[in-house]
Amino acid sequence: DIVMTQSPDSLAVSLGERATINCKSSQSVLHSSNNKNYLAWYQQKPGQPPKLLIYWASTRESGVPDRLSGSGSGTDFTLTISSLQAEDVAVYYCHQYYSTPQTFGGGTKVEI
Amino acid sequence: QVQLQQSGPGLVKPSQTLSLTCAISGDSVSSNSAAWNWIRQSPSRGLEWLGRTYYKSKWYNEYAASVKSRITINPDTSKNQFSLQLNSVTPEDTAVYYCARVDYSTSPLWGQGTLVTVSS
Repeated sequence: DIVMTQSPDSLAVSLGERATINCKSSQSVLHSSNNKNYLAWYQQKPGQPPKLLIYWASTRESGVPDRLSGSGSGTDFTLTISSLQAEDVAVYYCHQYYSTPQTFGGGTKVEI
Repeated sequence: QVQLQQSGPGLVKPSQTLSLTCAISGDSVSSNSAAWNWIRQSPSRGLEWLGRTYYKSKWYNEYAASVKSRITINPDTSKNQFSLQLNSVTPEDTAVYYCARVDYSTSPLWGQGTLVTVSS
């Protein structure tokens, strides 16, 4: 199984400042045939389902603000919130769907 | 626009069977490029992938090792939906259950979630 390790577990960021969340996979999630990383990022607020933010490691889902961005390839990935807003307070998860069983990071709680 | 609508009971007794259904609109359960998944989330286990079904000239199922002896995921082409059955449940199976389309061809799409409590 591919193990997804997120860091940090939590972080506190001032409004308008940058937040960076890391996700490391124990094996590459890069598909060599099409050069796509099967890595997604989600935002979850209390009582709500996970909301897709980023897929293929760096493709922003429609409607997601451009202050949220994903980067990385292979085994190392980053979700960046360039200028934290109050509505960004949530738990963030990474998810690999390169191979089964699909696996998830443990989550990063972002606070102000 | 593809949408997934979950249904099923929110309370199941220990040792009984948990059954949930996910109705698909805007896509086909028989699509050759789609895979239909069940995922659950609990405070103790986090987000946990349970299994999937997909069609590529024939039907395939894949299950997580942790539930493999107790789980069945079935497509229903007549109703364009797929279902989850989890047998012999215990309180540890209490979780929010999500259906989802997750595959290589498009962005992941999740249902709204169903809280299932296992209790007598």
